[in-house]
Amino acid sequence: GQQLNQSPQSMFIQEGEDVSMNCTSSSIFNTWLWYKQDPGEGPVLLIALYKAGELTSNGRLTAQFGITRKDSFLNISASIPSDVGIYFCAGQLSWGYGNKLVFGAGTILRVKS
Amino acid sequence: DVKVTQSSRYLVKRTGEKVFLECVQDMDHENMFWYRQDPGLGLRLIYFSYDVKMKEKGDIPEGYSVSREKKERFSLILESASTNQTSMYLCASDRDRNTGELFFGEGSRLTVL
Repeated sequence: GQQLNQSPQSMFIQEGEDVSMNCTSSSIFNTWLWYKQDPGEGPVLLIALYKAGELTSNGRLTAQFGITRKDSFLNISASIPSDVGIYFCAGQLSWGYGNKLVFGAGTILRVKS
Repeated sequence: DVKVTQSSRYLVKRTGEKVFLECVQDMDHENMFWYRQDPGLGLRLIYFSYDVKMKEKGDIPEGYSVSREKKERFSLILESASTNQTSMYLCASDRDRNTGELFFGEGSRLTVL
């Protein structure tokens, strides 16, 4: 089936540093999404990208939908302690009665205060 | 405020037991999903439902079944639990199958001994 390669697997960074993570795939997706999972919670949508080449910001977060539709990156600027958690990329494609999300393995972010 | 509620946060069961995981959403969403989350594997789709009494297999349906008798409720059933089904189970729903925005519950951590 479709697979997303998400990297890095984990990061341990200093508070105030910028963070970058990305996802690549051999499949083409019509939407790319980034979710964050706080400890003990379910994932929550951070950013959705619907068009190839699209660059979208949400506060300190910036994400891009790759022009080939096979990749996406997420940047977090000036990290703070509450950024800790697991970040998942997800690609959406048409499937059966609707659309299907394929998730990456996740990037675990730990921030040193 | 949107809400997806999973009935049990933590369960411990024995091999061969029948296990029910319940999920309720209060958003009148058509589509509901069950995912399994394992370290290094991300979220994998077990089953989803796009309407009452309708269900579709996801990527890893073996060993699981589901029930959707009412729009707001989607149950995951393990007919005979096995140790390799020890995992975090996440229920989700979506309001629009085109956006990719899923609303997740807090998760049910199942341990099968």
